[in-house]
Amino acid sequence: AAGVIQSPRHLIKEKRETATLKCYPIPRHDTVYWYQQGPGQDPQFLISFYEKMQSDKGSIPDRFSAQQFSDYHSELNMSSLELGDSALYFCASTPPAFPGELFFGEGSRLTVL
Amino acid sequence: DQQVKQNSPSLSVQEGRISILNCDYTNSMFDYFLWYKKYPAEGPTFLISISSIKDKNEDGRFTVFLNKSAKHLSLHIVPSQPGDSAVYFCAASARRETSGSRLTFGEGTQLTVNP
Repeated sequence: AAGVIQSPRHLIKEKRETATLKCYPIPRHDTVYWYQQGPGQDPQFLISFYEKMQSDKGSIPDRFSAQQFSDYHSELNMSSLELGDSALYFCASTPPAFPGELFFGEGSRLTVL
Repeated sequence: DQQVKQNSPSLSVQEGRISILNCDYTNSMFDYFLWYKKYPAEGPTFLISISSIKDKNEDGRFTVFLNKSAKHLSLHIVPSQPGDSAVYFCAASARRETSGSRLTFGEGTQLTVNP
């Protein structure tokens, strides 16, 4: 069965550079969530989208932005990268009208040098 | 402010025995609870969930218990197998009528099942 696809799987950037992560939800899933997991930490909710509109916002820095496109894929844009942005970024999706269980992708590991 | 807490960072059990992972929460608006399992270099995988209208949910070797008055839930794995060795995350949400309910995660418990 198709799962949540994230790209790239690994990304290395320098401080103050920008990065873009992509997420392709499971087909027919309309809600996408972004989480950030630092080393040894629990996943922290960043932002979510439902039907291409932002539905919830968590601890996402102002330097980050995200959107969901008409094909339901989502992109997380990170600018002015800092060392502390180094983390695993997970995307998850849920099917229509089913808040609860999230299906996670394998994550994108961002390393900021 | 950690709304979902897993106080044991690690747990080690013998194969065939019971593994009990615990989780406490503080937000009384949470009404849906989930357990996720995570292997290194992979995303969290859904394991089992429970709604606040229930106090127990069972799926094969996995059972989740919910004690709402104590704001406590636990995951029981019986019998434990070496392949169960992973990090287990407790998560909670306050479900709404519309989509977009975030999950709040605990810090995770590393379970090691020894052969």
